[in-house]
Amino acid sequence: GENVEQHPSTLSVQEGDSAVIKCTYSDSASNYFPWYKQELGKRPQLIIDIRSNVGEKKDQRIAVTLNKTAKHFSLHITETQPEDSAVYFCAAGRSGSARQLTFGSGTQLTVLP
Amino acid sequence: DAGVIQSPRHEVTEMGQEVTLRCKPISGHDYLFWYRQTMMRGLELLIYFNNNVPIDDSGMPEDRFSAKMPNASFSTLKIQPSEPRDSAVYFCASSWTARGNTIYFGEGSWLTVV
Repeated sequence: GENVEQHPSTLSVQEGDSAVIKCTYSDSASNYFPWYKQELGKRPQLIIDIRSNVGEKKDQRIAVTLNKTAKHFSLHITETQPEDSAVYFCAAGRSGSARQLTFGSGTQLTVLP
Repeated sequence: DAGVIQSPRHEVTEMGQEVTLRCKPISGHDYLFWYRQTMMRGLELLIYFNNNVPIDDSGMPEDRFSAKMPNASFSTLKIQPSEPRDSAVYFCASSWTARGNTIYFGEGSWLTVV
């Protein structure tokens, strides 16, 4: 089955700096890579996703890059703000009948004011 | 849409008691997932259904856990008997084939077994 590894487990940045979180996956058939943000005591919420037919996707201050050859993908947050502090999860999965996602272990991002 | 609705939000129960968690997926969604989240193990998929049929229950930890989906708008996850190591947040989530793999989570049920 799929195995997703996520690094780092914790990340502290100064407000205004950039943050990068990296994930690797094992199943070359995976073609869908979402990122979820989970604030303390809340549910995970989708913030951005990328499919295997593109290498990069941006949405305002967040972007995701995908390298299918190396089987890794990354989340980039620019101009970080205190409200970006949360746990971020990457995930990998396939389209088709098996719709389960395999999640990474999460990254606790702290943005210091 | 109200999103995925779970109940109860919080439950404290004694070891050995039966626990039933409930979930109403987003209307029209054809996949329903039960996840468990703990500090030690992160987000684990327990079981998922497609059109009310269980597809993969390989993540269910043991026979004490069971899940049902009697119709498209309701699912239950039952633990009997409960043990302290079952303490976790249980998330229900749903997705819609026509919208790809995007999974929408409920607010979670926080279970504490003492």
